[in-house]
Amino acid sequence: DIQMTQSPSTLSASVGDRVTITCRASQSISSWLAWYQQKPGKAPKFLIYKASSLESGVPSRFSGSGSGTEFTLTISSLQPDDFATYYCQHYNSFSPNWTFGQGTKVEIK
Amino acid sequence: QLQLQESGPGLVKPSETLSLTCTASGGSISSSSYYWGWTRQPPGKGLEWIGSIYFTGSSTYYNSSLKSRVTISVDTSKNQFSLRLSSVTATDTAVYYCGRATISGGGFDIWGQGTMVTVSS
Repeated sequence: DIQMTQSPSTLSASVGDRVTITCRASQSISSWLAWYQQKPGKAPKFLIYKASSLESGVPSRFSGSGSGTEFTLTISSLQPDDFATYYCQHYNSFSPNWTFGQGTKVEIK
Repeated sequence: QLQLQESGPGLVKPSETLSLTCTASGGSISSSSYYWGWTRQPPGKGLEWIGSIYFTGSSTYYNSSLKSRVTISVDTSKNQFSLRLSSVTATDTAVYYCGRATISGGGFDIWGQGTMVTVSS
């Protein structure tokens, strides 16, 4: 099975900072990667699909990049509403299954 | 706008079967563009995909770590899909989410609010 590893596990940042979260796959997954934001007590919110496509309604300060085994989620200017936990997720389109990374918590510095 | 809502017992005894239903409103689950799935999150931990199903019920996909205990089914007449997890233990205590995944992109774009299930005697 493909493993998804996020880094860092926790990130301390200030409002206005540029934030980057990395997600690495144990083998090449092309661009089959999604990103989610989750706040305490809430369901995950879909942010990005196919590594770099922004879901409708998601602020443009969020962006995704990468292909193969290394991917990044970038928040260009961190806003108060962005303090949350972020998860990457791989989708295996050939034999459908979904694998999440362990999450990255973005906290206030 | 499609909405999903999980329902089922909040407390299940060890060794018994956990059963949850996800009901869709504001849209139909009978679409060729989506999978319908379940994900769970133990308290304080990360997300774990459980399994997914195509609306016809002809194709089901399960997490290999849970496959022997999981059954997902669909009832299009009720616009619902369901999860059964057998032989539960305390490690199955979690918030259970249902969701819709796009076949074209793979991500879960719509989620239910989640339901907490505790396994305890």
